[in-house]
Amino acid sequence: NAGVTQTPKFQVLKTGQSMTLQCAQDMNHNSMYWYRQDPGMGLRLIYYSASEGTTDKGEVPNGYNVSRLNKREFSLRLESAAPSQTSVYFCASRAIRNTEAFFGQGTRLTVV
Amino acid sequence: AQRVTQPEKLLSVFKGAPVELKCNYSYSGSPELFWYVQYSRQRLQLLLRHISRESIKGFTADLNKGETSFHLKKPFAQEEDSAMYYCALRGNNRLAFGKGNQVVVIP
Repeated sequence: NAGVTQTPKFQVLKTGQSMTLQCAQDMNHNSMYWYRQDPGMGLRLIYYSASEGTTDKGEVPNGYNVSRLNKREFSLRLESAAPSQTSVYFCASRAIRNTEAFFGQGTRLTVV
Repeated sequence: AQRVTQPEKLLSVFKGAPVELKCNYSYSGSPELFWYVQYSRQRLQLLLRHISRESIKGFTADLNKGETSFHLKKPFAQEEDSAMYYCALRGNNRLAFGKGNQVVVIP
């Protein structure tokens, strides 16, 4: 049982480049989330998808876009990467009310 | 809007000493509170949820709606408790986290 899988695990981008972070879950969960983790800032919600076909902005959505491709997959896109987007990105999914969220192993992104 | 506040960033305790991590929240609806833990080189995982009212790895947390708090406690810290701890609140399909507490247990 793979759970939540993120690709890639590491990435270095130049300022202005674009890329897509992939996330897939095999637990048939309805809700999926993208967070960024920065020292002293904790986990901040970028975007989330309560169910297939819906996406909503979180706390820090600027500079990002998302796609809920199907129930399994929720991708995060950086159209024009900036150094301020250097961070560790986590994807998570959860099923129904009061159940835990399961996290991916994270993607460490560096923008130079 | 929902907000989770964890005041201390770093907490160092000696092995065998009590640990208390504070968490306060603001949310207009009925809150669902969680504690997540991230051990070194591992992914975040659920430690406790308020609905379960259980003790996990010796940790407990009680939801106090009057004080809007969900503090995490353990009477005797162990070295394996060294980790990053996050308080989280779910509301309106969002799952919001606090800034986290780095706990270091000194042997």
